[in-house]
Amino acid sequence: VQLLESGGGLVQPGGSLRLSCAASGFTFSSYAMSWVRQAPGKGLEWVSSISGRGGSTYSVDSVKGRFTISRDNSENTLYLQMNSLRAEDTAIYYCAKDLSPTGAVAAHFDYWGQGTLVTVSS
Amino acid sequence: EIVMTQSPATLSVSPGERATLSCRASQYVSTNLAWYQQNPGQAPRLLIYGTSTRATGVPARFSGSGSGTDFTLTISSLQSEDFAVYYCQQYNNWPPWTFGQGTKVEIK
Repeated sequence: VQLLESGGGLVQPGGSLRLSCAASGFTFSSYAMSWVRQAPGKGLEWVSSISGRGGSTYSVDSVKGRFTISRDNSENTLYLQMNSLRAEDTAIYYCAKDLSPTGAVAAHFDYWGQGTLVTVSS
Repeated sequence: EIVMTQSPATLSVSPGERATLSCRASQYVSTNLAWYQQNPGQAPRLLIYGTSTRATGVPARFSGSGSGTDFTLTISSLQSEDFAVYYCQQYNNWPPWTFGQGTKVEIK
């Protein structure tokens, strides 16, 4: 199993970024996927999850209306569209695979990518 | 939202000794509790799920116990690679899925 995030970088407050996570080594559509972030020197925070077929999505209140999770099962890729970015969104964003192969979101994670750093600053 | 509280924040232990980490949920989470290990500069690694089931490849010196609101991760004999930060996470009541703030296990 490999999860490779990309798309992070420096962005001004109010700006947008799209994160990608390329998955390999497992049947992507059989597993829910999530984004978890970690602010510098802080703990882990669940951000957003999507079911295996993409029919169900969930997000933490602080990003609702600003972030959108999606997936392309034909390309084995997970996305996070981030709009109206704020300084408090600065973090390493990890892509994480659900342990359970049911496709439903269970949100406990057996594989994690190495993360991509998002910095929101003027 | 379920708040997960871990204690202590930092645990100083000598190599070869036992470490006991605690995690308390603000509401009942049954046994839907996972533990992760994170080494500096690395992604988290799943250690335990379902309160007590070790993930693939996790050494037997790691064990989990508890139910309801109180949980424990025990490392029976600390090895050098075990000095890290440990997080608990509940997946019973969601969203949101919530993590504890972490316990750092450091060398005494």
